[in-house]
This record gives sequence, C-alpha cells and structure tokens, in this order.
Amino acid sequence: DTVVTQTPLSLSVTPGQSASISCKSTRSLLHSSGKTLLYWYLQKPGQPPQLLIYGVSNRFSGVPDRFSGSGSGTDFTLKISRVETDDVGIYYCMQGIQLPWTFGQGTRVEIK
Amino acid sequence: QVQLVESGGDLVKPGGSLRLSCTASGFTFSDYYMSWIRQTPGKGLEWLSHISDGGSAIYYADSVKGRFTISRDNAKNSLYLQMNSLRVEDTAVFYCAKHIIGETAFDIWGQGTMVTVSP
Repeated sequence: DTVVTQTPLSLSVTPGQSASISCKSTRSLLHSSGKTLLYWYLQKPGQPPQLLIYGVSNRFSGVPDRFSGSGSGTDFTLKISRVETDDVGIYYCMQGIQLPWTFGQGTRVEIK
Repeated sequence: QVQLVESGGDLVKPGGSLRLSCTASGFTFSDYYMSWIRQTPGKGLEWLSHISDGGSAIYYADSVKGRFTISRDNAKNSLYLQMNSLRVEDTAVFYCAKHIIGETAFDIWGQGTMVTVSP
C-alpha cells in the first residue's frame, strides 16, 4: 500500500499567522494522465471531512484563497495563510493514485 | 442542496451482519462514482470500497474484501454496504462519499453512521 505521512501531527497557531503541513508519500502521485492525485481535507469538530484541495493545488468550490497547496511527486504542502478561528480541526492528505486510497494520520490544528 | 444521508448503523455482535444505506439528493446520482470510508480513533480514515457510476467496476480494501459488498440502485439514488462476518475491529463511523468526476477525490460526504461490534 502507498503510505502517506503527515507532519507535524499537531499545530498551535496564533490567529493571523501562517501554518504549513507536510505530506509525504511512499510513491509518486503523478498519474499517467498528467494529474497528480493528492488531496487535502479538513475535518471540523463533529463534522465529516470536507474537501479543501484537489490535484495538489486546486481549491475546491468555496474554499478561501488563504488555503494553498503545493508540491510534486512525493512531497506536498498545505499552507494556511492568516489563520482564523474557524480553521480549527484535523487536516488530512489523501493519495488517490493507488488502491487502496490512503489517508495521512491527520494534523490537528488549534488556535492559541 | 447536494446531500448524502447514511443510515443503518447499529450495535451488533461479532460475526453478525448489517446493511448500511446512503441516500443521495441534489445531484444526478447515476453520474458519479461513490465510495464508503470509515473512521476510527485508532486507525483514522480508511477507504473501504468504491463503485462506478453504473455499478460495473467495484473495488475493496483488503481489510473488508470477502466480507463487505458495495452496491447501488440508481433508480432509488441509493448506495449500500452489506457487511457480513463483522469483527470488533470494524467498529467505526461509516461515511458514504461522492467522487468528483475524473478524480479520486471525495467532494461530498454524509454525516456518517455509527457501527459498533461488541460481544
């Protein structure tokens, strides 16, 4: 299976500051189609996960431009600029190139 | 609005069976691939199975292969997960999720249904 590893596992951020989460995969997520099948989700307390980013860097509908994704191959980053209190929750990356599709362990973001 | 609603979660004994349902609304269900994903405190999020829009392509995670069966009824806008030979370690919140066309990403998730397997 493709293992996806996130760091750090938890993050405490001052409102208005930035935060970054790393996601590393044990295999390249570049598909033969040219797409890179790496996604980011946010699970707010008491809610199901919600899609933030698809294809490494494409924000899903309604996602603020404070969220940005970058990376290629096996190394990826989610950056949250100007963190707000509503950004608290657990952030997951997920690989979609090889079955079984797998998620990272999650990064818990809290506000200082 | 676009919505997925799961049902069928319950408390069941090891070795028992359960059938989960997921009812879709607000979009053309028959156009989209669908998946089941579960979440436990210990193992986090685990993709279990997905089914193509017409139901002809189906895949399972090894952890549930041979025990769980995914199916869909496009006329009823419904997705199902038949779970047999349940184990204590199957205890989890089960989500159904809709795929984005052309991607393996899930853009819509249900609220989840709790399955507890306990003697």
